[in-house]
Amino acid sequence: SYELTQPPSVSVSPGQTASITCSGEGLGDKYVCWYHQKAGQSPALVIYQDNKRPSGIPERFSGSNSGNTATLTISGTQAMDEADYYCQAWDSSHAVFGGGTKLTVL
Amino acid sequence: QVQLVQSGAEVKKPGASVKVSCKASGYTFSDHYMHWVRQAPGQGPEWMGWVNPKSGGTVYAHKFQGRVTMTRDTSISTAYMELSSLTSDDTALFYCARAGGDPGTFGMDVWGQGTTVTVSS
Repeated sequence: SYELTQPPSVSVSPGQTASITCSGEGLGDKYVCWYHQKAGQSPALVIYQDNKRPSGIPERFSGSNSGNTATLTISGTQAMDEADYYCQAWDSSHAVFGGGTKLTVL
Repeated sequence: QVQLVQSGAEVKKPGASVKVSCKASGYTFSDHYMHWVRQAPGQGPEWMGWVNPKSGGTVYAHKFQGRVTMTRDTSISTAYMELSSLTSDDTALFYCARAGGDPGTFGMDVWGQGTTVTVSS
């Protein structure tokens, strides 16, 4: 079965840029979404179709996808961005989630 | 506003079945596929499958095939997920999540609040 790999944790200082990667075989040929999940809340979509932002998601969130790696970039990271982040790809109309990355803003 | 409201927490014995409901409001129910996602304590989300509210067609994750049934009632804008042969590994939060568009390319843009299912003897 298809697998997506994320680093367990990423740390960033407030105002700096955070990058979270997601790796999978041939991932660049698939559409990737990104979700964040704050403690005790449901996941929320922040990027879809590799690099599109849903309405209401700040411009500081951006995405890219090429080769075997997709990347979520958060520019000017704020304390409110601290959360778990999950990538998700489509494999023959089946959704696959990555294991998640805990983003710490310190 | 667009929202998905799920049924309340359930406690089940091993071997039993559970049926979770997800009532949609604020949009045309039949226009968006509905996904179901399981999240075990301390773990990431795990996709279970989706139902097409218009046709009733379904696609299930291989892991849950044979044990999960997803249905809908368009008259009350509600989707259902039934999981049978429960084990302790099914103790988790179960979410319904709306597909933003084509279920194979768009993300899950609206999520329910989650339903806790506890499996315990």
